[in-house]
Amino acid sequence: AQRVTQPEKLLSVFKGAPVELKCNYSYSGSPELFWYVQYSRQRLQLLLRHISRESIKGFTADLNKGETSFHLKKPFAQEEDSAMYYCALNYGQNFVFGPGTRLSVLP
Amino acid sequence: GAVVSQHPSWVICKSGTSVKIECRSLDFQATTMFWYRQFPKQSLMLMATSNEGSKATYEQGVEKDKFLINHASLTLSTLTVTSAHPEDSSFYICSARELTGNTGELFFGEGSRLTVL
Repeated sequence: AQRVTQPEKLLSVFKGAPVELKCNYSYSGSPELFWYVQYSRQRLQLLLRHISRESIKGFTADLNKGETSFHLKKPFAQEEDSAMYYCALNYGQNFVFGPGTRLSVLP
Repeated sequence: GAVVSQHPSWVICKSGTSVKIECRSLDFQATTMFWYRQFPKQSLMLMATSNEGSKATYEQGVEKDKFLINHASLTLSTLTVTSAHPEDSSFYICSARELTGNTGELFFGEGSRLTVL
């Protein structure tokens, strides 16, 4: 069955440190993967998608089909990056979200 | 960008009453809408997938008679919590994907907080 895992429930880093939020998926077809972010008291919003291969707010994510991973990375974390991050897999009409990782960037 | 709006944003009701939450796509048509439940500081829990003109598909463990979902048009889906009880108090969120969009992106509503007394 299609599944998305995010092993870290909570990740704390200091400002300026690199950050990596892990995401692994299981899907036999060609995956379409996303990262969504929810800042405090705001709605969920799209951060980036793998097909765009873009960098948003300094974040990048590379799809690694061999490792079935789509880890989110940022070289220098900022306090405003503190939020809940969800990795998501789209297949057909369905979306599967990971359990989320709460990123806390400490001053 | 596309906007999804939920109404009401907060509702307080007495135990045993029913509450309806609306999810509207304001500037696009959505064949598929999703309903989630979110507990404080916890992850999204998908409740059901709502397709326009057909019955919703509920996730395992979600009572379809308790949480009635109607997706009568391409811009509106409703979630009715029937005979609400305090344990139904939660934050309910909907999301929608655009009919013609091929990016697969979901657009989320701002959420509706239900408090059952």
